[in-house]
Amino acid sequence: DAGVTQSPTHLIKTRGQQVTLRCSPKSGHDTVSWYQQALGQGPQFIFQYYEEEERQRGNFPDRFSGHQFPNYSSELNVNALLLGDSALYLCASSLGGQGDPLHFGNGTRLTVT
Amino acid sequence: TQLLEQSPQFLSIQEGENLTVYCNSSSVFSSLQWYRQEPGEGPVLLVTVVTGGEVKKLKRLTFQFGDARKDSSLHITAAQPGDTGLYLCAGVGYQLIWGAGTKLIIKP
Repeated sequence: DAGVTQSPTHLIKTRGQQVTLRCSPKSGHDTVSWYQQALGQGPQFIFQYYEEEERQRGNFPDRFSGHQFPNYSSELNVNALLLGDSALYLCASSLGGQGDPLHFGNGTRLTVT
Repeated sequence: TQLLEQSPQFLSIQEGENLTVYCNSSSVFSSLQWYRQEPGEGPVLLVTVVTGGEVKKLKRLTFQFGDARKDSSLHITAAQPGDTGLYLCAGVGYQLIWGAGTKLIIKP
């Protein structure tokens, strides 16, 4: 039973570019949440997708957008990259109920130069 | 704005010592989750506490939820190098509210 998988594992981009990160949820999970984590800090909630709709959103600008596909997989898109966007981007899947345990992938390490 | 404060931010101790990590808020949560994250990996759920005053044990780890469901603690007995990691608490409300984490290093 595969857990949450994210791709790519590492990515280097230049300021102003756009990036797409991908996530496949744990089998049986229908909800995907995205987080940004700076080194040594806790995760910051970006948004959550359920039934292909954005259900909740954290305090992130519109440059951050996402999508969920019918098979529950998800993408995170970031436009006009800034140096401050350098971070570990984590995807977590769950069964959708508030408080249901999150199952995290190992993240995508994004470096913006 | 709901906030969860974790303390200490960083703790480095010798193998065999005991330690306690705290997670405090002024807000009430319906439940609280503890995760451990190792370098290069995503956080992994350790436990969820639901009832005020609840105590849960996971081998040498003891988790307690405050009576008012605003705070929680994690106590590790006889810490081992394998306990090294970033310990995160997350409060369940309208959204999941995360603490900034406690970075724990256990030296052999």
